[in-house]
Amino acid sequence: KAGVTQTPRYLIKTRGQQVTLSCSPISGHRSVSWYQQTPGQGLQFLFEYFSETQRNKGNFPGRFSGRQFSNSRSEMNVSTLELGDSALYLCASSLAGAGFNEKLFFGSGTQLSVL
Amino acid sequence: QKEVEQNSGPLSVPEGAIASLNCTYSDRVSQSFFWYRQYSGKSPELIMSIYSNGDKEDGRFTAQLNKASQYVSLLIRDSQPSDSATYLCHGNQFYFGTGTSLTVIP
Repeated sequence: KAGVTQTPRYLIKTRGQQVTLSCSPISGHRSVSWYQQTPGQGLQFLFEYFSETQRNKGNFPGRFSGRQFSNSRSEMNVSTLELGDSALYLCASSLAGAGFNEKLFFGSGTQLSVL
Repeated sequence: QKEVEQNSGPLSVPEGAIASLNCTYSDRVSQSFFWYRQYSGKSPELIMSIYSNGDKEDGRFTAQLNKASQYVSLLIRDSQPSDSATYLCHGNQFYFGTGTSLTVIP
């Protein structure tokens, strides 16, 4: 069974640009959640999608958005990039979501550097 | 107040010792807890889950959950250098603890 696939693995962008990250969950998993990880900040929850609907949202500005497709693949978009957006972005998949006593399976992450 | 708090460390233990990692949580909704291990430059991987009060043992790892005290811990016995990583605590919501960095000294 294939794991969670995130692309691209690395990205370098400049301030003001926008970026789109992709996440393909494990087959059969309908929940995809996104996290931002920076040194010293741990995993910060961005949002969660389930059956093409954003079901939960963390405390991030509107520049961070996402969507989920009918095949459960999810994309995350960051517009007007800022230096502080440099981070490892992780997606995690599960059958029903973290709020249902389920473990999460993480992708390898996308390392975003904003110059 | 953060929903999940961890003793942030860093924690250093000699090889063969017991490493104790602790986590407290503030919400009373969480019914289960998970411990993830994250090696430097890698993504988190699940190592233990615990759903009920008491202890759960898996090899060298023991997870302990006390719902009355809203406390969960992970004990690593006979610590090995390969256990050196960041350990993340997670309840059944979306928020993780900040993680505890563990270094096992040979």
